[in-house]
Amino acid sequence: GQSLEQPSEVTAVEGAIVQINCTYQTSGFYGLSWYQQHDGGAPTFLSYNGLDGLEETGRFSSFLSRSDSYGYLLLQELQMKDSASYFCAVYMDSNYQLIWGAGTKLIIKP
Amino acid sequence: DVKVTQSSRYLVKRTGEKVFLECVQDMDHENMFWYRQDPGLGLRLIYFSYDVKMKEKGDIPEGYSVSREKKERFSLILESASTNQTSMYLCANAGGQNYGYTFGSGTRLTVV
Repeated sequence: GQSLEQPSEVTAVEGAIVQINCTYQTSGFYGLSWYQQHDGGAPTFLSYNGLDGLEETGRFSSFLSRSDSYGYLLLQELQMKDSASYFCAVYMDSNYQLIWGAGTKLIIKP
Repeated sequence: DVKVTQSSRYLVKRTGEKVFLECVQDMDHENMFWYRQDPGLGLRLIYFSYDVKMKEKGDIPEGYSVSREKKERFSLILESASTNQTSMYLCANAGGQNYGYTFGSGTRLTVV
């Protein structure tokens, strides 16, 4: 079967740095993506990693290690508006179909 | 930017009704998806489509059907609504180089 594991909840302090990990076991792998979803809203695309290494987009970075079947999302200079659920998702092939993790609820305290 | 529009934000329907959820994209992307999202169950794929008149079952297609008569429109149909289909329904499309999905704002359906 296919599985993605990520922590169900992470708590951090405003202004700090937080890392959300994702490990996957899938029969195929084409790339790893991350999405943010605020309560009551729809998921929004954050990043995509097709190759090993770090991708940086402003305060957010995403990392992939294909040999370890592992990736993470790094959020820096946390702001209260970053309180949301974060989903990792694996592309099995180039056809855009995703396998989704269960999501990590990020709680930010002042 | 690609925009995905879902016709209704909130819907209340009665058990046994036929329900249509509409999704329209404003870009020429082939790939469209319907998900439902329930607390604790994450995102579950109902149906997807890679082209006009083409459809594939996802993980939970029972009780649903879809229609893709035009490239920009992908409709989800609940043949006979039941209370266990009360959920948030999300439409998405994909086709860019970054492989990102663009989601509609969602339809929160309540079946009473």
